[in-house]
Amino acid sequence: ETGVTQTPRHLVMGMTNKKSLKCEQHLGHNAMYWYKQSAKKPLELMFVYNFKEQTENNSVPSRFSPECPNSSHLFLHLHTLQPEDSALYLCASSQGGTPIETQYFGPGTRLLVL
Amino acid sequence: DAKTTQPPSMDCAEGRAANLPCNHSTISGNEYVYWYRQIHSQGPQYIIHGLKNNETNEMASLIITEDRKSSTLILPHATLRDTAVYYCIVRVGGYTGTASKLTFGTGTRLQVTL
Repeated sequence: ETGVTQTPRHLVMGMTNKKSLKCEQHLGHNAMYWYKQSAKKPLELMFVYNFKEQTENNSVPSRFSPECPNSSHLFLHLHTLQPEDSALYLCASSQGGTPIETQYFGPGTRLLVL
Repeated sequence: DAKTTQPPSMDCAEGRAANLPCNHSTISGNEYVYWYRQIHSQGPQYIIHGLKNNETNEMASLIITEDRKSSTLILPHATLRDTAVYYCIVRVGGYTGTASKLTFGTGTRLQVTL
């Protein structure tokens, strides 16, 4: 256990559905991240939040909408996704801005868009 | 952040040492070397980091060359559970004032066999 939990672990959705992924960290960190990992591809950073403020949006389509209500929780709202959005979505947290910044990852949500 | 180069795959017999190389010839003086690993379909896991001295922890050892242009991660007694993709990442250390991102490449797929 890394101290970062993600729910659900698996999700199947149609292209017209709306769903949300949830991430919670129990480490007292101030930074949270969403990554996407498609089959056979490296992890791609999607969003970075530092003290609840979004500090990075890596050119992510608007059908992905992040929300960070506090430093411990991070959501990824999904709507009108495409089949190519099927991937493993990983959440991570860190103590941002410190000299040695180690990221702790959750187990991921495996998403299948039909 | 400096770019890294790793072999795409390596094999290691169980019980033997696994030596995973990483080339980072354009590393800057304030960039640290981090190693993470990702076991199949799980989130990446932090292993170790270093600046210029060799480092050891309960998981692995990190050997950084004197010119810092390359490093080697050593798993002293590899087990089947060490089968994973290993990522070498370099990024700036120091107080940045905000969360910073990790850029994952394709890593080295280590297969530990009986």
